Amino acid sequence: GAVVSQHPSRVICKSGTSVKIECRSLDFQATTMFWYRQFPKKSLMLMATSNEGSKATYEQGVEKDKFLINHASLTLSTLTVTSAHPEDSSFYICSAEGQGFTGELFFGEGSRLTVL
Amino acid sequence: AQSVAQPEDQVNVAEGNPLTVKCTYSVSGNPYLFWYVQYPNRGLQFLLKYITGDNLVKGSYGFEAEFNKSQTSFHLKKPSALVSDSALYFCAVRDGATDSWGKLQFGAGTQVVVTP
Repeated sequence: GAVVSQHPSRVICKSGTSVKIECRSLDFQATTMFWYRQFPKKSLMLMATSNEGSKATYEQGVEKDKFLINHASLTLSTLTVTSAHPEDSSFYICSAEGQGFTGELFFGEGSRLTVL
Repeated sequence: AQSVAQPEDQVNVAEGNPLTVKCTYSVSGNPYLFWYVQYPNRGLQFLLKYITGDNLVKGSYGFEAEFNKSQTSFHLKKPSALVSDSALYFCAVRDGATDSWGKLQFGAGTQVVVTP
């Protein structure tokens, strides 16, 4: 089946620093990738949709200058949390949709960000 | 606008008993419905989907769901629950009215606890 790899799985950083999270589709080409944020025991909140080679589309209320998303190739999208603060601590999950849409999205394992 | 409702925050069931997790939806066009499962600190795993065809859909790990258009429901079921089924379950919908398939809208999630 389609595999999405997300790295790192856990990251701890100091307030004010930037953190990059990678999302890779390992065995398919992902035309569209989605980034979600999940709070403890809560549902997933869609942050942005990224299409390869174009700018990401951010959901209302998500700061695009703070959460930089790049989708430079059909197998890689990155989320950079810039000038991180403790309130940015969360579980970030990416998902991907391949060519030949079948409906379901394939999810990475998630990245736990802790900002001290 | 599309929406998904999972009315139960938690479902408790004894091992070996039937398990049902409820989901209702609202979309403008044809609904594309999905169930995902999430284990602690992990990404989401796809269980099953309804796009078209038979209303009863069978998926992974013995789970099934029935699409009921008149009741706008897509309840997840398993005839005999296992302790290992304890996890967080998400129902999700995509609106078939849009040309680009639309965003995946998640329900709030239902925590399933299966006791030995």
